Amino acid sequence: TQLLEQSPQFLSIQEGENLTVYCNSSSVFSSLQWYRQEPGEGPVLLVTVVTGGEVKKLKRLTFQFGDARKDSSLHITAAQTGDTGLYLCAGPPRTNNDMRFGAGTRLTVKP
Amino acid sequence: DAGVTQSPTHLIKTRGQQVTLRCSPKSGHDTVSWYQQALGQGPQFIFQYYEEEERQRGNFPDRFSGHQFPNYSSELNVNALLLGDSALYLCASSVLNGINYGYTFGSGTRLTVV
Repeated sequence: TQLLEQSPQFLSIQEGENLTVYCNSSSVFSSLQWYRQEPGEGPVLLVTVVTGGEVKKLKRLTFQFGDARKDSSLHITAAQTGDTGLYLCAGPPRTNNDMRFGAGTRLTVKP
Repeated sequence: DAGVTQSPTHLIKTRGQQVTLRCSPKSGHDTVSWYQQALGQGPQFIFQYYEEEERQRGNFPDRFSGHQFPNYSSELNVNALLLGDSALYLCASSVLNGINYGYTFGSGTRLTVV
């Protein structure tokens, strides 16, 4: 079983629609990070959330960290075709200092 | 400022062979972590190196070993290759105790075992 469960696994939407993807765990994390990965490339960091309840905005992307620091969400407003990619959440379990990843949500935005 | 550099980009090996993958971290980073990413999956943690020592290890067999050099670069070695070892191998660098600043990833080495 994955330490971080991401849902949905696949998401296909039309350009201009809004969407939310989720990252959940039964474990507490000191922080959670969201990465975006394109085919043939390594993941690229989008944001880090550290405080329970924290909300961060990056243009059309809004990230939230759950109050209990066990879950996070990524909301995209007015999706564009350039948002297509694999969205990964990751975090260091409290007992470790390395980064564990979820399986990702593969987003396709159609024109 | 150079990011993380991995070599080679692609590799084809025969079952039972051994392989060495290389990684140069981002300038200023002292910690290197290796991940295996199977097709359609998220990266799976293999191990992490700091000060030339293995600090943490994921659930991978002893066939997977590594090394970090004084200049912080790192190698991943896999012995007795299996077909299931075919994957994208990612190297990520970071600053120890700076995990909240995130990892910088290389573009990976695509290993195919036939």
